[in-house]
Amino acid sequence: DAGVIQSPRHEVTEMGQEVTLRCKPISGHDYLFWYRQTMMRGLELLIYFNNNVPIDDSGMPEDRFSAKMPNASFSTLKIQPSEPRDSAVYFCASSSILAGVSEQYFGPGTRLTVT
Amino acid sequence: GDSVTQMEGPVTLSEEAFLTINCTYTATGYPSLFWYVQYPGEGLQLLLKATKADDKGSNKGFEATYRKETTSFHLEKGSVQVSDSAVYFCALSDPWYGGSQGNLIFGKGTKLSVKP
Repeated sequence: DAGVIQSPRHEVTEMGQEVTLRCKPISGHDYLFWYRQTMMRGLELLIYFNNNVPIDDSGMPEDRFSAKMPNASFSTLKIQPSEPRDSAVYFCASSSILAGVSEQYFGPGTRLTVT
Repeated sequence: GDSVTQMEGPVTLSEEAFLTINCTYTATGYPSLFWYVQYPGEGLQLLLKATKADDKGSNKGFEATYRKETTSFHLEKGSVQVSDSAVYFCALSDPWYGGSQGNLIFGKGTKLSVKP
């Protein structure tokens, strides 16, 4: 398996622009997670889905952030409008509860810089 | 609520030294415990896991034992290498917490630097 795939790997944008991050989970996994990592705040869970349905979005910082999972093989995290404080590395992870234990497999991340 | 507390870093060791990174947890149910490792510029990778009390997880020379009586899951390695330099995260999964399965609660991470 190719693992969790994220695109783009790097994104540089100007304040006020819309940013869309993409994730393809491992085939067969029924959970998908979006995280944000910064030096100041560490690793933060933003939202997670089970069977394409959002389960907990309490970590989404504000209305500028939205996430969708239209099917089992694709998810997006959108920031509109973007701000400099959104600069971070965004990780997508997937897991399968069928394995009996919730082990998450992380993608390589998208490094977002908002100027 | 559930939480994970790790020793603060950074930790700097010489090659072949013994490593311990402390991790304690608070959980309402019967959690599974994990150690993840993040190498520079990469995503997190599962290093080892333990699903019940007294289980020992091991991988790549690293070990951790699930101690229910002390609510701990300390990471150890007998002889570290320069290639072990990374950030290590302790985490738990508690299916009874808020009724949600699959969610992981992470510690803040401990940065390890190994000098030749």
